Amino acid sequence: RKEVEQDPGPFNVPEGATVAFNCTYSNSASQSFFWYRQDCRKEPKLLMSVYSSGNEDGRFTAQLNRASQYISLLIRDSKLSDSATYLCVVNRMDSSYKLIFGSGTRLLVRP
Amino acid sequence: DAGITQSPRHKVTETGTPVTLRCHQTENHRYMYWYRQDPGHGLRLIHYSYGVKDTDKGEVSDGYSVSRSKTEDFLLTLESATSSQTSVYFCAISGGERGGDNQPQHFGDGTRLSIL
Repeated sequence: RKEVEQDPGPFNVPEGATVAFNCTYSNSASQSFFWYRQDCRKEPKLLMSVYSSGNEDGRFTAQLNRASQYISLLIRDSKLSDSATYLCVVNRMDSSYKLIFGSGTRLLVRP
Repeated sequence: DAGITQSPRHKVTETGTPVTLRCHQTENHRYMYWYRQDPGHGLRLIHYSYGVKDTDKGEVSDGYSVSRSKTEDFLLTLESATSSQTSVYFCAISGGERGGDNQPQHFGDGTRLSIL
């Protein structure tokens, strides 16, 4: 089993749609959770950290379910500019500062 | 954006030649990392550093070495490049002054390396 698993997609949605991505992780002791965004041929960029209580940043909402070991990202009112690959990230079992990156879920927002 | 500069941005070289990639940061972050990214594999950790002259191997370290002689610079060396090392290489940093270890990483723009 991969340490971080994501549905690769692509998710193809119209502008204005709401889309949700899930990610599962294998290390029950993980403490750090993040969502990154990566545009084609660019570096990954931090989208948001994920906190136990859940957190929201504008149109983006992240949730953490420790019991089931999954993380979710909800994007409301999708924009064309949201088209990218979204990476789920968790800290490694042997370290609090080393991270494991999921392979990513690709999102395509169409006009 | 975090002050991270990777050089060169692109490089084409031949099998068997040595190659050194440089990562320079102006953020005074403690941790620095080298990743490679290939289709179907996502980001894989090559080596990392937890301080000056303190480095350790990641999951795909064979064929690579690193050095960190000062806080701001982390060098990745391919002693004798092979075609399997054709990839996009990203440097990342974390561990700024404000927080502890549980911090996100910030990435440089990447280096596209082609080994012919």
